Amino acid sequence: AQRVTQPEKLLSVFKGAPVELKCNYSYSGSPELFWYVQYSRQRLQLLLRHISRESIKGFTADLNKGETSFHLKKPFAQEEDSAMYYCALSGITGGGNKLTFGTGTQLKVEL
Amino acid sequence: EPEVTQTPSHQVTQMGQEVILRCVPISNHLYFYWYRQILGQKVEFLVSFYNNEISEKSEIFDDQFSVERPDGSNFTLKIRSTKLEDSAMYFCASMGRSNQPQHFGDGTRLSIL
Repeated sequence: AQRVTQPEKLLSVFKGAPVELKCNYSYSGSPELFWYVQYSRQRLQLLLRHISRESIKGFTADLNKGETSFHLKKPFAQEEDSAMYYCALSGITGGGNKLTFGTGTQLKVEL
Repeated sequence: EPEVTQTPSHQVTQMGQEVILRCVPISNHLYFYWYRQILGQKVEFLVSFYNNEISEKSEIFDDQFSVERPDGSNFTLKIRSTKLEDSAMYFCASMGRSNQPQHFGDGTRLSIL
């Protein structure tokens, strides 16, 4: 079974402070991990995928298979980072590639 | 940049009525999905569709639900006899090839009265 856990419903940080949004997963095979972001009243947008190993808007995430984690990090939070962040896992099952989402973390960046 | 589009943005329906939610995936995409998000809960997978057939469905996707790709561009989700608990945000997504990212639409907010 696929499961994604995001332990924090709300994370509040000050502008310029480091950010870490936690994500842990459970999957028996070799998963693909994603971070999606949802800005106020907008659609879910892909932020990062682990196989790309790139930095988007200053965010990075490293897949740690030993700890089954895919935490999202940014060294200096910006006001425009305030949004809902979802960690998601895709496992190849019958060609469907369904996404299993965590419950999401609301990031609030305060001035 | 091409986008997934969903209509309507908000649908209000009486309990027991049929509802059809519409999606236009990105044009060269091959994989199609429906997800839903009940208010305050996480996004849940409903169904995936590839090569004109359902490739996987969740236990939520019971006999009241069906999907169709009637004309090569639209991808619809039909709920035959709606229940109060069907009230949710329904997201359509499409994917170009296996293991590429899924692209989401803005969602349809379904309210059952």
